[in-house]
Amino acid sequence: ILNVEQSPQSLHVQEGDSTNFTCSFPSSNFYALHWYRWETAKSPEALFVMTLNGDEKKKGRISATLNTKEGYSYLYIKGSQPEDSATYLCAFISTSGTYKYIFGTGTRLKVLA
Amino acid sequence: DGGITQSPKYLFRKEGQNVTLSCEQNLNHDAMYWYRQDPGQGLRLIYYSQIVNDFQKGDIAEGYSVSREKKESFPLTVTSAQKNPTAFYLCASSISTVLLPGETQYFGPGTRLLVL
Repeated sequence: ILNVEQSPQSLHVQEGDSTNFTCSFPSSNFYALHWYRWETAKSPEALFVMTLNGDEKKKGRISATLNTKEGYSYLYIKGSQPEDSATYLCAFISTSGTYKYIFGTGTRLKVLA
Repeated sequence: DGGITQSPKYLFRKEGQNVTLSCEQNLNHDAMYWYRQDPGQGLRLIYYSQIVNDFQKGDIAEGYSVSREKKESFPLTVTSAQKNPTAFYLCASSISTVLLPGETQYFGPGTRLLVL
């Protein structure tokens, strides 16, 4: 059974703080790793698609890194703002099977003004 | 605007009743998915469809049924056989189930089902 873990489950940070969280996934049969941002009462939206070991993606104050050999990805938020408050989901996509998406449980971020 | 709509936002079910959750997409995607979310758990796949008139069971299909008569629509029926139906249900779509680099799934806003 493929397992994808995210940590921490939730965190509160002050506005302006930088923060990061982890997605751990199987190190074999890797195809891609997706990060999604899910705001309350809205649909999850794709943040990053990561496919190569050593990938680093950036969108504004948010960036992500990928290590496929050891099976982890980090998501960083620099200078957190209240609008960054959301659940951040990662999804591991395997080369085995057909539908292949395995989601983590998410990290719930609350940025306090 | 292209996207996925789900209705209703909240749904109440009485014991022994079947209910159907709607999912419609206008993204011209071939593949559609239904996921269930429970507290403290990741999204779990119920059913998916690669193309019209085709669908496959996911990890937790027992007590659910689907149909895919039109490309745009993938309704999910929660039957009375589903013993613990209270959950949040998300519908998603993608161009195909074989993800090309850079492709992602697109999600609807979800339906929360509560059993009375």
